[in-house]
Amino acid sequence: EAGVAQSPRYKIIEKRQSVAFWCNPISGHATLYWYQQILGQGPKLLIQFQNNGVVDDSQLPKDRFSAERLKGVDSTLKIQPAKLEDSAVYLCASSSYRVSGANVLTFGAGSRLTVL
Amino acid sequence: AQKVTQAQTEISVVEKEDVTLDCVYETRDTTYYLFWYKQPPSGELVFLIRRNSFDEQNEISGRYSWNFQKSTSSFNFTITASQVVDSAVYFCALRIAEYGNKLVFGAGTILRVKS
Repeated sequence: EAGVAQSPRYKIIEKRQSVAFWCNPISGHATLYWYQQILGQGPKLLIQFQNNGVVDDSQLPKDRFSAERLKGVDSTLKIQPAKLEDSAVYLCASSSYRVSGANVLTFGAGSRLTVL
Repeated sequence: AQKVTQAQTEISVVEKEDVTLDCVYETRDTTYYLFWYKQPPSGELVFLIRRNSFDEQNEISGRYSWNFQKSTSSFNFTITASQVVDSAVYFCALRIAEYGNKLVFGAGTILRVKS
């Protein structure tokens, strides 16, 4: 089966600019996650979708970050305006309880953002 | 609070040595799941193993083995006869049943296996 697809792999922007990342989960996976991984740290959940509804966005900086999953399939994460501290790898993951039971997440390769 | 601690920031071993990666977790919940993920240089997190809080049976899978001890809140991971391809960052993670599917990750341990 095809894995979780993410694009772009790399992005360099100036602070205060905007950026968008795209994720296409594994077909049939109802749950989609966006994680932020700062260099030297473990991934931190930003937002979780169940189909096209938000389950958890408690750690999403809503003044600058937004995410959507309009048709319950692919998703977009946007940052506007970007700050230096947003430099990180943005990981998308998906899961299906029906397929793998207790929430085994399959991750994409990530989108590395550098804010100058 | 839910927390995962991986005290080893970086470990270097020579090929064929055994290596153990430590993981200590904190939770007040009685139902939870523990995971190990591997992140090779390509960046993609790869699932290795999952354990629930009611299953303390340790497991061996090829060169990998896991030691889950609720009494010490530890979930350690051992690679036997390490290989260069094992070089990666290894993450331990905790999922609390009442928090839906939210995984809390440790900071990771960088494993470098030298030939």
